Amino acid sequence: SQQGEEDPQALSIQEGENATMNCSYKTSINNLQWYRQNSGRGLVHLILIRSNEREKHSGRLRVTLDTSKKSSSLLITASRAADTASYFCVLRGSSYKLIFGSGTRLLVRP
Amino acid sequence: EPEVTQTPSHQVTQMGQEVILRCVPISNHLYFYWYRQILGQKVEFLVSFYNNEISEKSEIFDDQFSVERPDGSNFTLKIRSTKLEDSAMYFCASMPSSGQETQYFGPGTRLLVL
Repeated sequence: SQQGEEDPQALSIQEGENATMNCSYKTSINNLQWYRQNSGRGLVHLILIRSNEREKHSGRLRVTLDTSKKSSSLLITASRAADTASYFCVLRGSSYKLIFGSGTRLLVRP
Repeated sequence: EPEVTQTPSHQVTQMGQEVILRCVPISNHLYFYWYRQILGQKVEFLVSFYNNEISEKSEIFDDQFSVERPDGSNFTLKIRSTKLEDSAMYFCASMPSSGQETQYFGPGTRLLVL
């Protein structure tokens, strides 16, 4: 299948800890994106990493991509309660449509 | 900062009724999308729209669905005869160009079909 699969499905951490979410996929990709969704509401783009990039940073976010292993990880450092959300690894399909995985539900406990 | 807007935020309708979900994409964006998310499930692609025509549609997007960009600003999704299983959150998204692949999502319309 063309979608990414996130792991773990759910993650609960204490505020201040780091959160790591992983994504595996099966097809070749041009890029991989991570999106965030708060409680079934709108989807917010976090970061895009291209297939020729290995690592990318944006604020407290760090994304890695290993195309040989067909995997990516999203690290949120120094987590906050406001980071509680679902995080999706998203692949690009034909006509630039986005293909979402099932997501990782992150709970950051105050 | 420009954003995608959607109206209404919630809609309740009776099975068999027609609904129109409205979206105002970010101005100057060229690519437009509809996705849906049934409660507790994945976000699913419905349709992509570029240059005033559908570029791709999923199996979900059957003859009951249609999209339109009537006036160069609004982008609408019409469901002609709603079914119970159409109950979902519907998201509109827009993208500036093919070289910038970030899609910007609206807040969604929660549709409940009774």
